[in-house]
Amino acid sequence: KAGVTQTPRYLIKTRGQQVTLSCSPISGHRSVSWYQQTPGQGLQFLFEYFSETQRNKGNFPGRFSGRQFSNSRSEMNVSTLELGDSALYLCASSDASGADTQYFGPGTRLTVL
Amino acid sequence: AQRVTQPEKLLSVFKGAPVELKCNYSYSGSPELFWYVQYSRQRLQLLLRHISRESIKGFTADLNKGETSFHLKKPFAQEEDSAMYYCALSSRTGANNLFFGTGTRLTVIP
Repeated sequence: KAGVTQTPRYLIKTRGQQVTLSCSPISGHRSVSWYQQTPGQGLQFLFEYFSETQRNKGNFPGRFSGRQFSNSRSEMNVSTLELGDSALYLCASSDASGADTQYFGPGTRLTVL
Repeated sequence: AQRVTQPEKLLSVFKGAPVELKCNYSYSGSPELFWYVQYSRQRLQLLLRHISRESIKGFTADLNKGETSFHLKKPFAQEEDSAMYYCALSSRTGANNLFFGTGTRLTVIP
């Protein structure tokens, strides 16, 4: 099976702009989780989608949002970008409804200038 | 609130020596605990999880609820074990939201 894919791999934006990142899970996986990785805060959970519904949400402001489509592909959106949003954004998919092995994508590197 | 602590940012051991990567957690409920590993230029991947009680690549980890620890151990380190290791906790069964520690970079010296 093909692994988790994320597009684009790299992005450069300026403050105030918005950005959309995409994640395609492993075929058959219905759960997609998103994480932010920064040198200062490490890996932090953003949210999880399962069968098109947001099931869990981390402690991030409302500027961070996401959605999941019927084919399990997921997008996350960050509006009104701030310098501190510069990070590696990882998505992970799982084939079970919870607490299962998560398979990570390569990440999208977002730089906010 | 849940918290995962990995006290060592860097750990170096010689090839063939035992290795132990420490992980302590705080969580009021019954946690699911994991070790994830990231080798150079590779994706983050699961190494092992406590409920499976498996030994993967010679690594084992025992959940000690009394000490709230989940240390990762291997009796004889190999050069290919050099990587970044993350301890992670899932807040409850049925949730795919992992809380990660800050990670330990293990270097195995030939």
